[in-house]
Amino acid sequence: GAVVSQHPSWVICKSGTSVKIECRSLDFQATTMFWYRQFPKQSLMLMATSNEGSKATYEQGVEKDKFLINHASLTLSTLTVTSAHPEDSSFYICSAMMDSQQFFGPGTRLTVL
Amino acid sequence: AQSVTQPDIHITVSEGASLELRCNYSYGATPYLFWYVQSPGQGLQLLLKYFSGDTLVQGIKGFEAEFKRSQSSFNLRKPSVHWSDAAEYFCAVVTNFGNEKLTFGTGTRLTIIP
Repeated sequence: GAVVSQHPSWVICKSGTSVKIECRSLDFQATTMFWYRQFPKQSLMLMATSNEGSKATYEQGVEKDKFLINHASLTLSTLTVTSAHPEDSSFYICSAMMDSQQFFGPGTRLTVL
Repeated sequence: AQSVTQPDIHITVSEGASLELRCNYSYGATPYLFWYVQSPGQGLQLLLKYFSGDTLVQGIKGFEAEFKRSQSSFNLRKPSVHWSDAAEYFCAVVTNFGNEKLTFGTGTRLTIIP
């Protein structure tokens, strides 16, 4: 139980385009989901907290107009990287909260050319 | 601000040998403490956690960790490693109780040699 999926697992896009990443809790409902960014050989940095039915809470330094988060249902949160640039290339990981524990998705590798 | 330090970026251990991964935190009170493992292509998996009580915590895959308040440490141990333990290990804390936000350490990459 407590499986979280992400789609796509990897994506390559051209600079200036937008990319949407989905995070789904497959066998449980999650009021709260989190989005992280991980650079190579580095730790996970929390980008934002996504709450179902309300606006996401962004961490300091994260551009909310750049990284749009929508948590439209109890099993789905999406992260849209708008007007992506090469510096947005990274590994994006989501997690879903259940019983005060975070369950993580496998991550999405974004490469912006 | 709270922080989590994993002093060892990379550790190499022979298969069958014992393992200890270090984690120190900086926070005024005792936070909730976690160890996660990240394998390629897989999500972070929780190995164990400490909230309160017995300071020696048993986890999955034969791992254990000991909370030492005096040293602000939460080191991960395993008596005998297997080749499948090769992965990235992250220590994490929750200090802002109520919103469950995790602060991660920088991670330790574990390599297992035959």
